[in-house]
Amino acid sequence: GAVVSQHPSWVICKSGTSVKIECRSLDFQATTMFWYRQFPKQSLMLMATSNEGSKATYEQGVEKDKFLINHASLTLSTLTVTSAHPEDSSFYICSASPATGANYGYTFGSGTRLTVV
Amino acid sequence: GQSLEQPSEVTAVEGAIVQINCTYQTSGFYGLSWYQQHDGGAPTFLSYNALDGLEETGRFSSFLSRSDSYGYLLLQELQMKDSASYFCAVKGQAGTALIFGKGTTLSVSS
Repeated sequence: GAVVSQHPSWVICKSGTSVKIECRSLDFQATTMFWYRQFPKQSLMLMATSNEGSKATYEQGVEKDKFLINHASLTLSTLTVTSAHPEDSSFYICSASPATGANYGYTFGSGTRLTVV
Repeated sequence: GQSLEQPSEVTAVEGAIVQINCTYQTSGFYGLSWYQQHDGGAPTFLSYNALDGLEETGRFSSFLSRSDSYGYLLLQELQMKDSASYFCAVKGQAGTALIFGKGTTLSVSS
């Protein structure tokens, strides 16, 4: 159980375009999902907390107008990278846990490797 | 704020035992987790400690001392496939995100 599906697994886009990444909880409901970004050989850095039915909470230094997060249902959160630039190239990963509040073992999506050219 | 410290690299040979330490400073504490990540892949959950002591799961064990803000991951009978990055992570409050350490790259040689 507790499967999180993330799509696409990789995407290449041109500078200035927008890219949408989807994160779905397949067998549980998730009132909260988390979005991370990971640069090569670095750790996972929390970008934002996505809350179903309300605005996302962004970490300090993350531009909310650039990284648009929508959590319209209990099983889907989306991250849209707007006006992407080469420095946005990174590995984006979402995670979630069942709404009942498991205390550990957050499940991660398979990640999306974004390359902006 | 929250910070976690762990060694950047560890090397070992097949069959050996390796311990990866993690010290943390957090404003709240709701458990210490360990994740494994292979190159290009997503993190996979290995172990979790909410209370002091040792948790054993097959070849992997994890230990926590809350009074020392310290934990470790113990990998036994190392195999080549264990070569990966290992991250400790803490959660400050129930329902909040995991905050990760910088990761330890483990290289296992034959």
